[in-house]
Amino acid sequence: GESVGLHLPTLSVQEGDNSIINCAYSNSASDYFIWYKQESGKGPQFIIDIRSNMDKRQGQRVTVLLNKTVKHLSLQIAATQPGDSAVYFCAEILYYGGATNKLIFGTGTLLAVQP
Amino acid sequence: DAGVTQSPTHLIKTRGQQVTLRCSPKSGHDTVSWYQQALGQGPQFIFQYYEEEERQRGNFPDRFSGHQFPNYSSELNVNALLLGDSALYLCASSLVATDGTDTQYFGPGTRLTVL
Repeated sequence: GESVGLHLPTLSVQEGDNSIINCAYSNSASDYFIWYKQESGKGPQFIIDIRSNMDKRQGQRVTVLLNKTVKHLSLQIAATQPGDSAVYFCAEILYYGGATNKLIFGTGTLLAVQP
Repeated sequence: DAGVTQSPTHLIKTRGQQVTLRCSPKSGHDTVSWYQQALGQGPQFIFQYYEEEERQRGNFPDRFSGHQFPNYSSELNVNALLLGDSALYLCASSLVATDGTDTQYFGPGTRLTVL
């Protein structure tokens, strides 16, 4: 499949190292954030989420940090593996009340894991 | 448990034609959102359907329209295709949450090429 990583910022890491991917969001009213992983030719895959009343949340090998003061998110991947190579997007949820919301995606970062 | 499915996988059309893309949500989900992803960019929100109504819309012209059926599946229609409509079209489904924090799960997408 073709890459979705063209023209995206790239983070190159060695297998086994830890990776940190950063993201700035735009709307200070957003109170829910999600990190997605998108492999070439596939749709975005949910990794981990965090609400604005938290500043840290951990999953399996992943940690998300939220700094509301500077509107910044980061995704930390421990012991990066070749299968982690993909484009990573942060997304903020804009909620309009009732049953309506939408995701606003960041630019995306291409993570390239070197064996 | 089937995830989000989309059809067709790939589609080639010429300028001025019309296209219909289809999406079946993840089992148990009642909300469908559509996104357009140009090469090298993050997905852009088109619109969201809940209870068979368009509840929220992004900055897309009226050439983009949709429908949600009683079984929660959805269609995206694009009329008078332009070259710039070439993109990956993603469908995401979720189960509505009263506070807007429903997590959206994505399908594999339909790659539309307009010649």
